Amino acid sequence: GIQVEQSPPDLILQEGANSTLRCNFSDSVNNLQWFHQNPWGQLINLFYIPSGTKQNGRLSATTVATERYSLLYISSSQTTDSGVYFCAVTYSSASKIIFGSGTRLSIRP
Amino acid sequence: GAVVSQHPSRVICKSGTSVKIECRSLDFQATTMFWYRQFPKKSLMLMATSNEGSKATYEQGVEKDKFLINHASLTLSTLTVTSAHPEDSSFYICSAAPGGTQYFGPGTRLTVL
Repeated sequence: GIQVEQSPPDLILQEGANSTLRCNFSDSVNNLQWFHQNPWGQLINLFYIPSGTKQNGRLSATTVATERYSLLYISSSQTTDSGVYFCAVTYSSASKIIFGSGTRLSIRP
Repeated sequence: GAVVSQHPSRVICKSGTSVKIECRSLDFQATTMFWYRQFPKKSLMLMATSNEGSKATYEQGVEKDKFLINHASLTLSTLTVTSAHPEDSSFYICSAAPGGTQYFGPGTRLTVL
């Protein structure tokens, strides 16, 4: 099956710093999403981005489908950005979603 | 976006008992829902796909007799953990994908004593 890898696994930054999270996938995908899991476990949709670039405030994402990777950018980090960031893909005719291993982001005040 | 709810949010039970977790789509109909399990500091693992009006599809390695799934209506799927044991303790999350975008419930934290 498809493999989804995220890097780095852990990231510790000072408030105000910028960060880039990467998601690599091993096969063509129909869909790619980025999620933020908050400390209470809730998964929050950030981007639905099978290809191209999208921006939402301090967050933006780029997916290069032909090269099988996606990047999530967080600018001017805030402590509330802390948590785990997952990318997840769907592929072939399946609508089920496969998650990457996640990046645990800690923003220090 | 679409809203998915789960109940209960947290449950503690004794070993050997069964626990039912409900997943509801609040503002849309879902012919398919998904159930995930997440261990501490780990990623989400898909357990099964719940299909309205038919049997669930289980992922490899997931015991269908242990994790009973019923999708009796277009807005409700239930996961029953039968004869729960401490190793079943985990965070269980459901999702649905109206229009192709996944929306997740808030999760249920199960602790089996």
